[in-house]
Amino acid sequence: SYELTQPPSVSVSPGQTARITCSGDALPKQYAYWYQQKPGQAPVLVIYKDSERPSGIPERFSGSSSGTTVTLTISGVQAEDEADYYCQSADSSGTVVFGGGTKLTVL
Amino acid sequence: QVQLVQSGAEVKKPGASVKVSCKASGYTFTSYGISWVRQAPGQGLEWMGWISAYNGNTNYAQKLQGRVTMTTDTSTSTAYMELRSLRSDDTAVYYCARALAAADTYYFDYWGQGTLVTVSS
Repeated sequence: SYELTQPPSVSVSPGQTARITCSGDALPKQYAYWYQQKPGQAPVLVIYKDSERPSGIPERFSGSSSGTTVTLTISGVQAEDEADYYCQSADSSGTVVFGGGTKLTVL
Repeated sequence: QVQLVQSGAEVKKPGASVKVSCKASGYTFTSYGISWVRQAPGQGLEWMGWISAYNGNTNYAQKLQGRVTMTTDTSTSTAYMELRSLRSDDTAVYYCARALAAADTYYFDYWGQGTLVTVSS
């Protein structure tokens, strides 16, 4: 079955830039989406269609795509950004797939 | 404002069934689909399937085919997910989410608060 691969953890200091990657063979043909999930809460959409930001999401969140890898970038990381981040895309038949998640730690 | 409000926590025995509800408000229910996503304790997100609130068409994850049924009641703007023949590894928080179509798949812009389903003898 199709898989999206994320690093289990990323750590950054406040004010620095965090980059979380997601790799998958179908990503050149399918959009990627990113969700933020804080403990005990439902996920929140932070990036859609590779690089679009929903209303209400801070400008420090951005997304990019290159080949089989998509990247969520958080510029000027704040303590409140500490959370789990999940990428989502689809396989060649359109079936929804989530990455395994990345725990972002703000040091 | 868009809201998805789910039913409360459930405790079930192995082999039983559970039915979780998701009441939508703040938008035209039949203009969007609903997906269900679950999350086992300490684990990642798993997509379970999708239902069109417009015509009831469904698309289930292959892993759950035959055990899951998703339905909607347009008169009350409520979506339902029933999972049968429960096993211990079905213990998870179950989320409903409003699904937007994108090419041949979906993504999720609003989520319910989650419903914990515990399967234990």
